[in-house]
Amino acid sequence: GQSLEQPSEVTAVEGAIVQINCTYQTSGFYGLSWYQQHDGGAPTFLSYNALDGLEETGRFSSFLSRSDSYGYLLLQELQMKDSASYFCAVRDSTGANNLFFGTGTRLTVIP
Amino acid sequence: NAGVTQTPKFQVLKTGQSMTLQCAQDMNHEYMSWYRQDPGMGLRLIHYSVGAGITDQGEVPNGYNVSRSTTEDFPLRLLSAAPSQTSVYFCASSETGFEQYFGPGTRLTVT
Repeated sequence: GQSLEQPSEVTAVEGAIVQINCTYQTSGFYGLSWYQQHDGGAPTFLSYNALDGLEETGRFSSFLSRSDSYGYLLLQELQMKDSASYFCAVRDSTGANNLFFGTGTRLTVIP
Repeated sequence: NAGVTQTPKFQVLKTGQSMTLQCAQDMNHEYMSWYRQDPGMGLRLIHYSVGAGITDQGEVPNGYNVSRSTTEDFPLRLLSAAPSQTSVYFCASSETGFEQYFGPGTRLTVT
């Protein structure tokens, strides 16, 4: 089976940098994805790491260490609109494209 | 492209009633899935399909049925609604698995 752990809440100041961590346990690892979800909205894809290292997409970066079963999402130059829930997810081991999601980290950006 | 569409947006059912949540995508994705999201929790996979005519159970399939007669459509049927099925339901489609496109969701209340 799979399990993912991430902090339930994080608060950060506008303009600052915040890191959201995710540790996972899974049989058969195919990669770690990150999704953003605003209140009342649908999850939207942010990034994906299949290999160790850092992937950068604008203000967002995602890091993976497969040996540590650990990844993080880094948000730079925080804006008020970044207040949302962030989910890490792993592909499951069935061979289908199923994602198994963590319970999410609610990020609150304060002025 | 409309992406992934879901209907209805909101629904109230009485215990024991049945209904079908509709989902359609216009991206020609073979993989489609249904998730439910409960307050403070991540998304849990109900059923998925890897192509027309092929469906399988996810993490929480009890009380739900699916079928996939075309690539575009993937309806979810609640057989006999129960209060425990009060949730937000998201349909998703994907080409690669790690990047999934979600519909806007259906907010279902069972009284």
